[in-house]
Amino acid sequence: TQLLEQSPQFLSIQEGENLTVYCNSSSVFSSLQWYRQEPGEGPVLLVTVVTGGEVKKLKRLTFQFGDARKDSSLHITAAQPGDTGLYLCAGQTGANNLFFGTGTRLTVIP
Amino acid sequence: DVKVTQSSRYLVKRTGEKVFLECVQDMDHENMFWYRQDPGLGLRLIYFSYDVKMKEKGDIPEGYSVSREKKERFSLILESASTNQTSMYLCASSSLGRAPYEQYFGPGTRLTVT
Repeated sequence: TQLLEQSPQFLSIQEGENLTVYCNSSSVFSSLQWYRQEPGEGPVLLVTVVTGGEVKKLKRLTFQFGDARKDSSLHITAAQPGDTGLYLCAGQTGANNLFFGTGTRLTVIP
Repeated sequence: DVKVTQSSRYLVKRTGEKVFLECVQDMDHENMFWYRQDPGLGLRLIYFSYDVKMKEKGDIPEGYSVSREKKERFSLILESASTNQTSMYLCASSSLGRAPYEQYFGPGTRLTVT
């Protein structure tokens, strides 16, 4: 079983602050996906990174895939209350193999 | 937009009951998955299917079975529900056509077994 560790587990910040969430593994992945999940809902796919070193931006969210394709980070600039949720990273090794991290629960206080 | 729907958002069942959870996707995806999500344990794969009538065990298949009679529909069956199956159940689908095989999730079913 591939192990994906996310840090921090919990993060509570004020609106307008910046933050970074990390997703680390000793395994190499063919791609890595980031999801956001709100309470009582299913995860929603935010982005997929495929190439080592790749950086993708989604408005105020910046995603980076590590050069060795073993780790990733999510940086949020000027966080807003609407960013509140559980952020999950998931590493893929094949068409049917997606391994999830345990998540980072973010709360943005107005 | 990919649409994955699940038959119920909330279910309450008694110990020993047979429980059916249904999932439907409208994107003609080959792959379908059932996960359960528990605090501190993350998402764990129960079963997946890559074609009609085909199924593969995931990490925690014990106490569950699945059925896929049509491409768009994937059912999870709890033969005799137990309290330790109280959980959030999530269905997902993905295309086999081309990497990176992104998975799209339904809204989830919160099952409580009393």
